[in-house]
Amino acid sequence: DSGVTQTPKHLITATGQRVTLRCSPRSGDLSVYWYQQSLDQGLQFLIQYYNGEERAKGNILERFSAQQFPDLHSELNLSSLELGDSALYFCASSTGDIQETQYFGPGTRLLVL
Amino acid sequence: KNEVEQSPQNLTAQEGEFITINCSYSVGISALHWLQQHPGGGIVSLFMLSSGKKKHGRLIATINIQEKHSSLHITASHPRDSAVYICAVLYGNNRLAFGKGNQVVVIP
Repeated sequence: DSGVTQTPKHLITATGQRVTLRCSPRSGDLSVYWYQQSLDQGLQFLIQYYNGEERAKGNILERFSAQQFPDLHSELNLSSLELGDSALYFCASSTGDIQETQYFGPGTRLLVL
Repeated sequence: KNEVEQSPQNLTAQEGEFITINCSYSVGISALHWLQQHPGGGIVSLFMLSSGKKKHGRLIATINIQEKHSSLHITASHPRDSAVYICAVLYGNNRLAFGKGNQVVVIP
């Protein structure tokens, strides 16, 4: 158990809908990272937050947004969902910045029908 | 073109064998990560390297910055080592790029 929690574990929704994925980092970790893993694209870095501020941005679509709250938990919002958004979404956390070891949550499996 | 290439894509070994998997990258990096993803989907960070060599138990990771290449070695392999091993590089302004992974199967 990495200490990083993600909810929900599974999510099934329809095209055009909006969902929110939630992540609680390990106690004391200031950074939260979001990743998308699909069968054809592999693992992709979406975005990093450090102590409430956006720190690094990867291949995150404009339909997706994230934030980190004062208690350091983070949410990833996915809107106008498309079939191709079906994937595993992982959250990870680290004590400091992106060069440190990251601890991954169990992931949220999203299926868009 | 993917910044990170991993080889071999698939590897099957007998229990006890020495395994080497490789990661090559095309950009100047500040760090390289090796991740392990088990069949259930969970991801564990194994190593973060910026130079030289690191060892943890039966796992050894090396990196050659000049040749833009890293290897992950598994000594005395065991069926519980069966997993996908993913290489990721940190480059530019905090950009992360991932390889497609090496699928390793260790047969008892």
